[in-house]
Amino acid sequence: DTAVSQTPKYLVTQMGNDKSIKCEQNLGHDTMYWYKQDSKKFLKIMFSYNNKELIINETVPNRFSPKSPDKAHLNLHINSLELGDSAVYFCASSQDFPLGSGRAIITGELFFGEGSRLTVL
Amino acid sequence: GESVGLHLPTLSVQEGDNSIINCAYSNSASDYFIWYKQESGKGPQFIIDIRSNMDKRQGQRVTVLLNKTVKHLSLQIAATQPGDSAVYFCADPPTGGYNKLIFGAGTRLAVHP
Repeated sequence: DTAVSQTPKYLVTQMGNDKSIKCEQNLGHDTMYWYKQDSKKFLKIMFSYNNKELIINETVPNRFSPKSPDKAHLNLHINSLELGDSAVYFCASSQDFPLGSGRAIITGELFFGEGSRLTVL
Repeated sequence: GESVGLHLPTLSVQEGDNSIINCAYSNSASDYFIWYKQESGKGPQFIIDIRSNMDKRQGQRVTVLLNKTVKHLSLQIAATQPGDSAVYFCADPPTGGYNKLIFGAGTRLAVHP
């Protein structure tokens, strides 16, 4: 049973195209994330959703649009792909314990998917 | 802003030796740190965490040491095995709020027979 699954695993496309990556988690977690990992293995958070609500939106171009139809799914749509978008995109989820007023007990344990390698030609 | 960095990008060890991976952080208010392991072709995987009220925490073959005075933490792996070959990240979430892990640059651990 795959806890966090993302598709496709590999995606090769031309500049200017629009593509989507899908993510699903069966852990019952409330929070999901998209991270981008570049060729130097640097991992950077892009978005985070908690119960379908966007809570983190790092300075990501608006060509990237996440969508969470329910708390088990977080998809990433990318418009007008550019060469610099080539990277491995990781979906992750975590179970946080909200304390109210937007605060949460942070466990630090994120469950990552296997990654989706996007190559823009 | 916060930054989490690693001293060495690549570490080569012999199988059976102990490995030490270092990490420096800049935010003196940081109170929680996590180590992740990323094997080739896979997503990062949680290894161990430590809160700032501790200096040391042990897991199975791994130990994390925290030195708040110099803002440094290390991951020690005992009797390193080929399966330990991976990229190791330290991560530092901002205090309060939802998870927003700031990952360091990563150290590649190569275990040789």
